[in-house]
Parts: sequence; C-alpha cells; structure tokens
Amino acid sequence: EADIYQTPRYLVIGTGKKITLECSQTMGHDKMYWYQQDPGMELHLIHYSYGVNSTEKGDLSSESTVSRIRTEHFPLTLESARPSHTSQYLCASSRDRGGAEAFFGQGTRLTVV
Amino acid sequence: KQEVTQIPAALSVPEGENLVLNCSFTDSAIYNLQWFRQDPGKGLTSLLLIQSSQREQTSGRLNASLDKSSGRSTLYIAASQPGDSATYLCAVRPSTSYGKLTFGQGTILTVHP
Repeated sequence: EADIYQTPRYLVIGTGKKITLECSQTMGHDKMYWYQQDPGMELHLIHYSYGVNSTEKGDLSSESTVSRIRTEHFPLTLESARPSHTSQYLCASSRDRGGAEAFFGQGTRLTVV
Repeated sequence: KQEVTQIPAALSVPEGENLVLNCSFTDSAIYNLQWFRQDPGKGLTSLLLIQSSQREQTSGRLNASLDKSSGRSTLYIAASQPGDSATYLCAVRPSTSYGKLTFGQGTILTVHP
C-alpha cells in the first residue's frame, strides 16, 4: 500500500478564491510530481521536484505553483481559481534509485464554479 | 519526444477470458515501464514495474512483458473477473529527464459476468 496522501479528495470552490491542494508522503522519496487529468483524458505532468527547494514546471503549462520546503510535503497552490482549472489533480512520488517505482495518491477532484 | 500509445482504447470481455493489453513507445531509451490501474474518479494503483533490463514481471493473474528494442509492452490478464474492470495505464520512465513518466491514453476494460 502506497503511503502518499492527498487532501481534500473533493473541492468545490468559487471563482477567484485561493486554494492549496495538499500532498504528503511518508516513504522518504526525493522525487514528487503533480499531474492533471481531465475526465476520460490522459495524465499530463504540471510540476515536479527532485528534492527540497527544487521545483520545475512540467510538460503542460499550468497557472498553479508548488513548493517543496520539506521532503514529505509538496503542496500545489492556485492564487485565483477559474472554471478552466476544474480537473482532477494527482500527486505522485518515487525514489531516486532502487527501481524508481512511482506511487500515486487518490487525487483531488477540483470544481471551480 | 517520447510518445506512448495503448491499444485497444476499450475492451469488453466476458468473465473468465484471458486478455492482452498493448502498449508501445517511440523512444527505446527507457529506465523502466510501469503498468497502473485506475478506477473511476480515483488515483492510480501500481500493478507491475519492469526495469529496462528485464523481460517480464508477474503478480498473481497479471503478467507484463517488455521488448525494449521494439518499443512494446504487453499486460496479460488471466481468467478475468468483473473486479478487473478499470482503466489500465502504461507509463514509461526515460533513462534521462530525471524520472518524469510519460503516460499512454489508457485502455478501458469492462469484464461482464
């Protein structure tokens, strides 16, 4: 069982609000990732981190930002939510070596009204 | 740029059938390949991880093979059950690019009683 947790699982919020999606892992993984997935569509990488104080933008442009102050924590923030941000956001982590298997959280389904 | 394609896009089979899901990738310089399962509205569950040096991996009724030189992987599910109904995703991790996974579009599997 993967030890990676996302909160909240579901969030409905009004346009213009600031939101933070939480992601934590207890496996001591250096690498963490945020993916965005629209219903029935493939996953797209929006942010990743190789370790503390290391963050990079992914392949899909996103208005969100991330931070990595602690190894286990990789929150994603939207300063001003818009309906176009409605999607599922999936957090993942992996070890740098030893097979580098990726583990995913249960996801946060965000709806901006 | 790595591209991952999964065939078929959807598959419906009666319970008890053996089935094969296909995954192909354009760049053979991979570190590993991972098969996931995703239930509707949920996160991803890791099923099997194959390192680039391996030919296959088995877990219970699941068997995944890898032919890196031809850019192909197959996921074999034996004696399918209704509980196997889900979307199956294939993802490759390049040998470079610091571990960013590239996903296929997935195969939607329905096993009916």
